[in-house]
Amino acid sequence: DVVMTQTPVSLSVAIGQPASISCKSSQSLVGTSGKTYLNWLLQRPGQSPKRLIYLVSKLDSGIPDRFSGSGSETDFTLKISRVEADDLGVYYCLQGTHFPLTFGSGTKLEIK
Amino acid sequence: EIQLQESGPGLVKPSQSLSLTCSVTGYTITSGYDWSWIRKFPGNKMEWMGYISYSGSTNYNPSLKSRISITRDTSKNQFFLQLNSVTTEDTATYYCASRTRLQGFAYWGQGTLVTVSS
Repeated sequence: DVVMTQTPVSLSVAIGQPASISCKSSQSLVGTSGKTYLNWLLQRPGQSPKRLIYLVSKLDSGIPDRFSGSGSETDFTLKISRVEADDLGVYYCLQGTHFPLTFGSGTKLEIK
Repeated sequence: EIQLQESGPGLVKPSQSLSLTCSVTGYTITSGYDWSWIRKFPGNKMEWMGYISYSGSTNYNPSLKSRISITRDTSKNQFFLQLNSVTTEDTATYYCASRTRLQGFAYWGQGTLVTVSS
């Protein structure tokens, strides 16, 4: 299985400050199509997970451009340029290139 | 808008089978998407369990392959999870979700907590 190593486990960020989450995969996530199937999800307290980003850097509809995704091969990053109160929750990376699909262990974002 | 809703028992005894239903509205499950089951354990760990595709083919996580079955009832626009021989380690919140390879999991149910306990 592809292991997704996500760091940090938690971070506390003041409103208006930036945040960054890293996700490293144990093998390349480039598929035979040449596409990289790396997603970022946010699970807010009491809610289901919500897709934020797919294909490394494509924002889902309605996701503010404060969020951005980057990376390639095995090394990926989610950045929030200015954290807002609504951003709190647990962030997950998810690889969809290799079966079984695997998630990172999650990063809990708290508002300082 | 596509909506998914899980239903099923919240308590299952060890060694028994866990059975859940995902009811889909706003989209016909034979039209597209892979229809997955995902679970979240206490402490944030997430596990993809498997899917049934719009065409009816299935793909399971090998860690569960001997215990899991995902089926569907196209007349009711529902798909189902059966997990056999459960232990306390199967206690989790279970989600159903729709997926495309390109865009990942676009739609999720609200989740249902299943506790395995005698």
